[in-house]
Amino acid sequence: GAVVSQHPSWVICKSGTSVKIECRSLDFQATTMFWYRQFPKQSLMLMATSNEGSKATYEQGVEKDKFLINHASLTLSTLTVTSAHPEDSSFYICSARADYFNEQFFGPGTRLTVL
Amino acid sequence: AQTVTQSQPEMSVQEAETVTLSCTYDTSESDYYLFWYKQPPSRQMILVIRQEAYKQQNATENRFSVNFQKAAKSFSLKISDSQLGDAAMYFCAYRSAESYGGSQGNLIFGKGTKLSVKP
Repeated sequence: GAVVSQHPSWVICKSGTSVKIECRSLDFQATTMFWYRQFPKQSLMLMATSNEGSKATYEQGVEKDKFLINHASLTLSTLTVTSAHPEDSSFYICSARADYFNEQFFGPGTRLTVL
Repeated sequence: AQTVTQSQPEMSVQEAETVTLSCTYDTSESDYYLFWYKQPPSRQMILVIRQEAYKQQNATENRFSVNFQKAAKSFSLKISDSQLGDAAMYFCAYRSAESYGGSQGNLIFGKGTKLSVKP
């Protein structure tokens, strides 16, 4: 299957700082990328959907000014958590798909801890 | 809106035995896809099996098979000859077909079932 990478795999930051997480499709062009958030022992919750070159579509309850998503190219999407607070600590997972794929391919996730 | 329900938070199976994980969903759409994903302790999401709603035949992938009951909106996963490596969280997921306006192919997940495999 296709490969999706995420960087960093884990990050610790101080409250009030911003953190950027990268999601890359390594061997295919991703027309759509998805960002999920997963709390311990819970399911994946979709945060936003992004298409290359256009603004992301955020799910209800997700603050677009806090979670900035940029899908600048067909192989890269970034999620920036601005002014992070301890409650933003979570596991963030991205996935990517191309129009010709019938499935999404998931990155390995990024564990964010805000002190 | 579509919903996915997994009513078994935890399941346990003896190694080499068979276990069935349940999943039901609710939708008014006639064309869609259903998936089972495995999330081991590494937390990497791994696709186990996929079912297209228009196909009557149940999908099978080696030791993994599904029982897809479209009318009942049920999509259970059967794991045969369970192995220690099957221990993980299993998520059932739904995706609308592209023909539905507004759908970008996002997945709707159930809450998951934690499967333990006893040696």
